[in-house]
Amino acid sequence: KAGVTQTPRYLIKTRGQQVTLSCSPISGHRSVSWYQQTPGQGLQFLFEYFSETQRNKGNFPGRFSGRQFSNSRSEMNVSTLELGDSALYLCASSLAQVGDEQYFGPGTRLTVT
Amino acid sequence: AQSVSQHNHHVILSEAASLELGCNYSYGGTVNLFWYVQYPGQHLQLLLKYFSGDPLVKGIKGFEAEFIKSKFSFNLRKPSVQWSDTAEYFCAVNTDYKLSFGAGTTVTVRA
Repeated sequence: KAGVTQTPRYLIKTRGQQVTLSCSPISGHRSVSWYQQTPGQGLQFLFEYFSETQRNKGNFPGRFSGRQFSNSRSEMNVSTLELGDSALYLCASSLAQVGDEQYFGPGTRLTVT
Repeated sequence: AQSVSQHNHHVILSEAASLELGCNYSYGGTVNLFWYVQYPGQHLQLLLKYFSGDPLVKGIKGFEAEFIKSKFSFNLRKPSVQWSDTAEYFCAVNTDYKLSFGAGTTVTVRA
């Protein structure tokens, strides 16, 4: 079975721009979660989607948004980029039940200059 | 809000030494607990998980963890580490469809 895939793997943007990151879950997994990883803040939860519905959201500003498509693929968008948004953005998929283990992708490394 | 605390920021060991990493969480309800590992240049991988039942759980690569409900702890152990265990280790709690992670412990194993 193919793992979680994320595209692009690396991205460089300038302040004020917006960015869209993509995630394809493991086949059969219907839940997709997004996390931000930085050296200072560690791993922080952004949001989780199941069946195109957001079930939970972390404490991030409204500039961070996401969506899920009917095939379970997900995208996250960050508008009006700030320098502090530079991070590794991780996508994880799971079967869908509370407590199911999550399988992580390799991440998208976003650098904001 | 739930939180996860990992006791050690950086642990340095020699090969064949025993490893124990502490993890405490604060959440009053039913929790699902995980340890993930991130090897240099690789993505997060699941080491082991606790859902219910036997509080001593075994994972991959010889790791095990013990859930002590009264102490809100889920400590990770390995009796004898190898150089290849050099990595960052994260404890996590799953509630309400999200994982809350500890800050992580960097483990360096000297050959």
